[in-house]
This record gives sequence, structure tokens and C-alpha cells, in this order.
Amino acid sequence: EDKVVQSPLSLVVHEGDTVTLNCSYEVTNFRSLLWYKQEKKAPTFLFMLTSSGIEKKSGRLSSILDKKELFSILNITATQTGDSAIYLCAGYGTSYGKLTFGQGTILTVHP
Amino acid sequence: DVKVTQSSRYLVKRTGEKVFLECVQDMDHENMFWYRQDPGLGLRLIYFSYDVKMKEKGDIPEGYSVSREKKERFSLILESASTNQTSMYLCASSPGSYNEQFFGPGTRLTVL
Repeated sequence: EDKVVQSPLSLVVHEGDTVTLNCSYEVTNFRSLLWYKQEKKAPTFLFMLTSSGIEKKSGRLSSILDKKELFSILNITATQTGDSAIYLCAGYGTSYGKLTFGQGTILTVHP
Repeated sequence: DVKVTQSSRYLVKRTGEKVFLECVQDMDHENMFWYRQDPGLGLRLIYFSYDVKMKEKGDIPEGYSVSREKKERFSLILESASTNQTSMYLCASSPGSYNEQFFGPGTRLTVL
């Protein structure tokens, strides 16, 4: 059974801090790993990673995948209150079109 | 922009009622999905569909059924709602098997 585990489950920081969110996965015939951000509505797509060691970056957010160690990290630098959200990690494996999600990390950024 | 809409943001039903949750996407996507989201458990896949009239069970299909009569519309049906089906229900669509999934705003269902 495919499994994705995120840590920490929740995190409280102050504006300006840098945070690292972790995602480990056990997915049969792994194809790709996705990160989403969820505020009080629909999850919105952040990154898709398929190759090991390649960093995907968008503004203050970046993510990297380690296929050997089966994990990914999401970094957020210079956090802002607008970064407060649930961050979801999910993996695609063999099962046709089926994404397996982790539990999510609840990030709270205080002013 | 891809748009996925769900029929209700909030819904309150009684135990034993039949409940229909509707999802519509406007980007001609092949695949559509229904998830439920519960605190500490993340998103869990209930059913998905990769073509009209086709459906596949996800990880937690018990107590649910689905219908896809048209490509843009995917319905989730709770035949006889129970209190343990109180949850946030999220619909998603994607253009192919291993693409980004686009999510709707969710329906928060409470079963009393």
C-alpha cells in the first residue's frame, strides 16, 4: 500500500523565519511528487517533481526531491502571514491516475 | 484558468438521507476524482473516473457511489448518509493520468 508521511504536522513561526516541511514516501513504481497549498478553500498546485536533485523554485518557495532516500522538502524563506496554510504532499505511483496524499502540515505564521 | 465547481459549499443532512454532491469542470479533462478530507488524515480518495461512464474505486469507497454521465460532470452519492460521513468533500480533475490535479472549493457536509 502506498504511503506518504509529512512532518511536522503543525508548525508555528514568526514573519521572516525560514521553514522546511518534510515529506517521505513509499510509493510503488514512483513517478512524481506534488506539493499543494490549501488555505480555506481548494488546494492550489505548487510544484511537481519527477527527477532527483532538481530544485523547483517559485519566489520564496522551493522544493527538492531525493529519489534515493525517498523524500522531498519544501522550503519557504522570509515567511509572511499569507503563507499560513495547510501544505499537502502527494505521490503518483503505478495506480492509474491515483495520487496518495500525506496528512498535511499546518503552517501558522504570526506577524 | 481551469475551473472546478461544486454544487454546495455547506450542506447539512439527516442520517439515512440520500445525498448528492455535484462537481463540474470546464476544461474538458479526462479524469475526475472525489476525495474526503479529515483532520490528521489528509485527503483520501473515494472514487475516480477516467472516462464517461467509467469509474474506479479509490481507497475508501464503502458507503459511496458515483456517476459520470457527461465528461464535465462527476457526482458523488451517499445512498444512506451516516454521521461518520461528516467531512469535507473535494472534487478534482486532471487532463491525464499523472498530471497536476485541479481542485474545487469543497463541500463541507454535516450529517446529523
